[in-house]
Amino acid sequence: NAGVTQTPKFRVLKTGQSMTLLCAQDMNHEYMYWYRQDPGMGLRLIHYSVGEGTTAKGEVPDGYNVSRLKKQNFLLGLESAAPSQTSVYFCASSYSKKGGEQFFGPGTRLTVL
Amino acid sequence: AQSVTQPDIHITVSEGASLELRCNYSYGATPYLFWYVQSPGQGLQLLLKYFSGDTLVQGIKGFEAEFKRSQSSFNLRKPSVHWSDAAEYFCAVGASGGYQKVTFGTGTKLQVIP
Repeated sequence: NAGVTQTPKFRVLKTGQSMTLLCAQDMNHEYMYWYRQDPGMGLRLIHYSVGEGTTAKGEVPDGYNVSRLKKQNFLLGLESAAPSQTSVYFCASSYSKKGGEQFFGPGTRLTVL
Repeated sequence: AQSVTQPDIHITVSEGASLELRCNYSYGATPYLFWYVQSPGQGLQLLLKYFSGDTLVQGIKGFEAEFKRSQSSFNLRKPSVHWSDAAEYFCAVGASGGYQKVTFGTGTKLQVIP
């Protein structure tokens, strides 16, 4: 099992450009999440999904959109990148049972110039 | 709303010394509690978790944590630290209902000196 994978691993964008981050999991998890990690701020939830075709806003959703067309994939989009979106992005997934641990991908380091 | 506080941003210990990382949480009911570890350039890996029952929880890599309801704490311990334990450690609290909302602390970076 590959677990949770993320592509790309690194990306540099110019302000105003758009991009999509892809997350894939092969554990048949119902729930998936996108976080951003910034120094001294821990992980903050951007968006999450409780099943195929469903998405919801997390703590810091502005400037991002997501889609979950297939159960195993969760896409994070930046329509018009801003320097404030420079961060490390982590995808995670979990079973739907209560208290299920989250499994994390290796992260995508994004720099917006 | 749930919250997690990790009061120590950075801790340095000598190899072979004992370790305790502090975590305090705020949640109205019995929480789900987690400790994750993040090595440089990597994602987060679960060390251990507490849901109910025995308040002393054993995890991987020789770590343990104790849930103390009266102190709202879930401190992580290891009796003898190895150089490979140098990493960042995150405490997290999960709600007992809903979609599995988990709130992470800001992390404690552990440095191990020879």
